[in-house]
Amino acid sequence: GAVVSQHPSRVICKSGTSVKIECRSLDFQATTMFWYRQFPKKSLMLMATSNEGSKATYEQGVEKDKFLINHASLTLSTLTVTSAHPEDSSFYICSAVNRGPKNIQYFGAGTRLSVL
Amino acid sequence: DAKTTQPNSMESNEEEPVHLPCNHSTISGTDYIHWYRQLPSQGPEYVIHGLTSNVNNRMASLAIAEDRKSSTLILHRATLRDAAVYYCINSPGIQGAQKLVFGQGTRLTINP
Repeated sequence: GAVVSQHPSRVICKSGTSVKIECRSLDFQATTMFWYRQFPKKSLMLMATSNEGSKATYEQGVEKDKFLINHASLTLSTLTVTSAHPEDSSFYICSAVNRGPKNIQYFGAGTRLSVL
Repeated sequence: DAKTTQPNSMESNEEEPVHLPCNHSTISGTDYIHWYRQLPSQGPEYVIHGLTSNVNNRMASLAIAEDRKSSTLILHRATLRDAAVYYCINSPGIQGAQKLVFGQGTRLTINP
């Protein structure tokens, strides 16, 4: 299957700082990438759809100014959590769609964010 | 988004087959049936997908009911590494990337 790399895998930061998470499709071009958040014992919740060369589409209730998404190339999307607070602590996961098979998404390994 | 219903948890023994059910009674005619699984502390992993016919791949088989209102993911010979949360998702069969709506999934436990 296709490979999606997500970095960093884990980050611990102080409250008020910003954290950038990278999502790369290593062996295919991804016009669209998705960002999800997952709290302990819960399912994945879609945060936003990242489109190469255009603005991201955010799900209802997700603050676009807090979760900045940039998709500047066909292989890289970044999610920046600005002014992070303890309630932003979560498992963040990205996925990329391979334009081949029908809407199969390939996921990164996730980033565990802990805000102190 | 078409909703799916899965049992919260299932348990099976190593080297035995596992049948994971999914109900999707509101599926539309062009929706695909996708299955993903998530191992602990990992991102989800694609397992299999289908539209109408049963499908087989190296990981699993997908049996789709004739009316498409339910499907079953079959792991032919479970191993301890198959312990994961399995998600059944309906996805629109139209051009372009479509978001996936994850339900609670089925937490599969495999006993040695």
